[in-house]
Amino acid sequence: SQTIHQWPATLVQPVGSPLSLECTVEGTSNPNLYWYRQAAGRGLQLLFYSVGIGQISSEVPQNLSASRPQDRQFILSSKKLLLSDSGFYLCAWSSTGIYGYTFGSGTRLTVV
Amino acid sequence: ILNVEQSPQSLHVQEGDSTNFTCSFPSSNFYALHWYRWETAKSPEALFVMTLNGDEKKKGRISATLNTKEGYSYLYIKGSQPEDSATYLCALGGGADGLTFGKGTHLIIQP
Repeated sequence: SQTIHQWPATLVQPVGSPLSLECTVEGTSNPNLYWYRQAAGRGLQLLFYSVGIGQISSEVPQNLSASRPQDRQFILSSKKLLLSDSGFYLCAWSSTGIYGYTFGSGTRLTVV
Repeated sequence: ILNVEQSPQSLHVQEGDSTNFTCSFPSSNFYALHWYRWETAKSPEALFVMTLNGDEKKKGRISATLNTKEGYSYLYIKGSQPEDSATYLCALGGGADGLTFGKGTHLIIQP
């Protein structure tokens, strides 16, 4: 069966520090991978998606970047965090992009 | 940019009562409508994926309807229980470029 792992669960980082959140999927190959964020008072917003290794599409220009070094690994990064980067980050995968999105358990990021 | 609206934003319901809430979306270029149930600190749980106008789906005490021509979907919960307390998200989905979510309806069931 397919599983998705996301870590860490919570993170408190100072402004200006770097960020690396990792997401891995098991039990499937060539998944579509997604990073979403929920900022305070807002809905889930798509940040990045990837349909293959090294292929990254950005939905919202921001202080973040994403990479897909391996088929089932998706990494969200920042060189210097801003206060506005605080939020709840969710990784998700889908085999077709149309049905059956499965989400990770999320990372609560607080930038102080 | 797709605009997915959910109402109400929050809802308090007495245990045992039935309730419903709404998801509105642009009716043009519709592909699929997803409902998720999201509890704090957990993964969003998929409830329904609906694609056809007039579609009705049911999962236990929860059901959903879809009207793609007028651009809305209703989620119904019959006989609310405390474990139904959660945020209910709807999202429009299409190709590989991900889902567009509404802000959710935060449901609190009061014993």
